[in-house]
Amino acid sequence: EAQVTQNPRYLITVTGKKLTVTCSQNMNHEYMSWYRQDPGLGLRQIYYSMNVEVTDKGDVPEGYKVSRKEKRNFPLILESPSPNQTSLYFCASSPGNRWGTEAFFGQGTRLTVV
Amino acid sequence: LAKTTQPISMDSYEGQEVNITCSHNNIATNDYITWYQQFPSQGPRFIIQGYKTKVTNEVASLFIPADRKSSTLSLPRVSLSDTAVYYCLVGDFNNDMRFGAGTRLTVKP
Repeated sequence: EAQVTQNPRYLITVTGKKLTVTCSQNMNHEYMSWYRQDPGLGLRQIYYSMNVEVTDKGDVPEGYKVSRKEKRNFPLILESPSPNQTSLYFCASSPGNRWGTEAFFGQGTRLTVV
Repeated sequence: LAKTTQPISMDSYEGQEVNITCSHNNIATNDYITWYQQFPSQGPRFIIQGYKTKVTNEVASLFIPADRKSSTLSLPRVSLSDTAVYYCLVGDFNNDMRFGAGTRLTVKP
């Protein structure tokens, strides 16, 4: 089954403690991205990746890092989480670089930073 | 990247047709128009995509006028389960997807 898998689904952590949210897709998609969603603000893009070793900033990249060492994985790293990074996070993938492509989203990761 | 404008919210009743319009005045020649649906605490789900004129699938229709500066998502005979947030995206060949705030549709019994 084609899917995007995020882990963990829920995470409560303390300020300053490094964490990684993993994202994996099994569709051999080139394009992957991370979003955060906060009440009233819709989905805001954090980072995206056009292919392996190619990443770029989205609209709200501050406080986040990503890496794309393999095509299927696109982890989101919070080196020193702060309470303002409490949010619902979504990973997405799509074929990219093609007309009429559809994106697939993971189930979401609800992060609370205390 | 073309910016989109949608109504913040809409209300409807079961069985009615709902039309949600999206404005994208700066759409580029290579841009496609795509609509996603999102339920609370779930990732967005693809609904429909088009380039010009009209596209129809099993869940919705998408109407795009000749100038492509706007588009209308049409949901026929909505039910309570269609209550969700609907996003209009305009994307180019590189598929850089930026979501706006979307339109919150509430379907009432």
